[in-house]
Amino acid sequence: GAVVSQHPSRVICKSGTSVKIECRSLDFQATTMFWYRQFPKQSLMLMATSNEGSKATYEQGVEKDKFLINHASLTLSTLTVTSAHPEDSSFYICSASGTSGGEGETQYFGPGTRLLVL
Amino acid sequence: SQQGEEDPQALSIQEGENATMNCSYKTSINNLQWYRQNSGRGLVHLILIRSNEREKHSGRLRVTLDTSKKSSSLLITASRAADTASYFCATDLLFPNSGGSNYKLTFGKGTLLTVNP
Repeated sequence: GAVVSQHPSRVICKSGTSVKIECRSLDFQATTMFWYRQFPKQSLMLMATSNEGSKATYEQGVEKDKFLINHASLTLSTLTVTSAHPEDSSFYICSASGTSGGEGETQYFGPGTRLLVL
Repeated sequence: SQQGEEDPQALSIQEGENATMNCSYKTSINNLQWYRQNSGRGLVHLILIRSNEREKHSGRLRVTLDTSKKSSSLLITASRAADTASYFCATDLLFPNSGGSNYKLTFGKGTLLTVNP
């Protein structure tokens, strides 16, 4: 099946710094990428959806100036957590799909990035 | 509120037994999908059932969908210790965005399945 990678897998940073997380589709072109956040023992919450070459669409309550998303190519999307604070500590997961809205399109998920802000 | 709600929240069974997890949702859907997540890892897609389908099989997995009751069930037969994981249902809805339109997934809270050897 389609493979999606994330880098880094784990990051620890100081409060106030910015952290960039990369999401790559390794063997297919991802016209759409999704970013999720998952707190311990909770479900995945969609943060934003990005289509290649377009501005990301953010879910209600997600600050677009704090969580910067760039989807500059069909194989790479980045999420930058700006001025991170301890409450941003979470598990961030990206997913990618090969079309931009085909019915029943499967999303392929990356392995996730564990962010810990001290 | 969560579109998908799984029950039970946690399920512990012995190897060889069957495990049944249920999912309910609130709005109309196009499709419903089930995913598996091992602790601290990403999600693995298990099976997708379309809104006009009632039952689907994949190996030891059997999924049913009842759109009149807005519910789905995932049955894992002859469970193995390696099936221990969290299982999530997700419903997809079409929504417009700046790049056109997308189907986005809304996940339930998940069922933590523990299969004891």
